[in-house]
Amino acid sequence: DSGVTQTPKHLITATGQRVTLRCSPRSGDLSVYWYQQSLDQGLQFLIQYYNGEERAKGNILERFSAQQFPDLHSELNLSSLELGDSALYFCASGLSANTEAFFGQGTRLTVV
Amino acid sequence: KNEVEQSPQNLTAQEGEFITINCSYSVGISALHWLQQHPGGGIVSLFMLSSGKKKHGRLIATINIQEKHSSLHITASHPRDSAVYICAASGGGADGLTFGKGTHLIIQP
Repeated sequence: DSGVTQTPKHLITATGQRVTLRCSPRSGDLSVYWYQQSLDQGLQFLIQYYNGEERAKGNILERFSAQQFPDLHSELNLSSLELGDSALYFCASGLSANTEAFFGQGTRLTVV
Repeated sequence: KNEVEQSPQNLTAQEGEFITINCSYSVGISALHWLQQHPGGGIVSLFMLSSGKKKHGRLIATINIQEKHSSLHITASHPRDSAVYICAASGGGADGLTFGKGTHLIIQP
């Protein structure tokens, strides 16, 4: 158990809909990272939050957004969903970018 | 932009064999991570290293900073080692981790 909790584990939704994925980092970790794993693109960095503030952006679409709350949990919001958004979404937490990353179990999103 | 390359993409071996998975990257990094992903999908961090060598049980990871290359070795491989092994680089001008495409390892009994 990495100590990082993601919910839900599975999500099936229709095109055009909006979903929210949730991540609770390990106790004491201030950084939360979101990653997308798709069959064609592999694992890609989406966005990082550090202590409530956006720290870095990767290949995140404009339809996607995230936030980190005062209790350090984070949410990834995906809107106007398309079939191509179907993927595994992972959250990871760590002390900083240069320390070990601890991954949640992922949320498998299927857009139909 | 850092490019992370892994080889081989697929590897099938017999139980007990010594396994080596290679990873190379194109620009200097802060650290190199080795991750394991089982069929269920969860990702487990195996090692993070910025120099030298680390060992945990039957797993050994090495890195050569000058050559921009890292290897993951598994000694006395076992069917439960079957998984996808992913190397990822942190730093090197990029935020977050930059991932290799993974090595799909199957250990046959």
